[in-house]
Amino acid sequence: DTAVSQTPKYLVTQMGNDKSIKCEQNLGHDTMYWYKQDSKKFLKIMFSYNNKELIINETVPNRFSPKSPDKAHLNLHINSLELGDSAVYFCASSQFSTGPQSGANVLTFGAGSRLTVL
Amino acid sequence: RKEVEQDPGPFNVPEGATVAFNCTYSNSASQSFFWYRQDCRKEPKLLMSVYSSGNEDGRFTAQLNRASQYISLLIRDSKLSDSATYLCVVIRSDNAGGTSYGKLTFGQGTILTVHP
Repeated sequence: DTAVSQTPKYLVTQMGNDKSIKCEQNLGHDTMYWYKQDSKKFLKIMFSYNNKELIINETVPNRFSPKSPDKAHLNLHINSLELGDSAVYFCASSQFSTGPQSGANVLTFGAGSRLTVL
Repeated sequence: RKEVEQDPGPFNVPEGATVAFNCTYSNSASQSFFWYRQDCRKEPKLLMSVYSSGNEDGRFTAQLNRASQYISLLIRDSKLSDSATYLCVVIRSDNAGGTSYGKLTFGQGTILTVHP
């Protein structure tokens, strides 16, 4: 029974298209995240939602729009895809962290969605 | 300067070797630290937390040096199955809309290959 599941696992598309990636967690966590891992393997936070509320929005182009219909789901929609968007996108979840010492800072990741823009 | 830096490697070691990685962080307000492991084309998974006094989990030992602002991971008696990328994570306090939370920053990872 997968704890954090994201679909699709692979996505190949043309520049200019719009695509979505879906994520669901069954861990009962309050917080969900989207991370981007580029070809150099840097794992960068994009967005974080706590209980459907956006709490982290890093410097990400407006073409990326997250949506959280409930605390178990966090989807990512990308408009007008560009070559530089090619990466692996990881969804993750955790309990809500109230600070750096919180034991809730442990993330559980989904298996990743590999996006290739041609 | 990046907030969290790791030597990307790759480290190539024979089975049975001892290998150590360091991870430096620039923000002295960082308070919590973890090591994650990421296998090729897989998601990162928690390996271990790093406690102030240092901690051990089987063949793995994690240490924190606050004065020099680095954490380390030591792997003894390396196994082929230890081959992976090891990511350090540094957490500090941040604030969003009046709510405090722990902000995680990942290092770029250190690639380890253990060969027969």
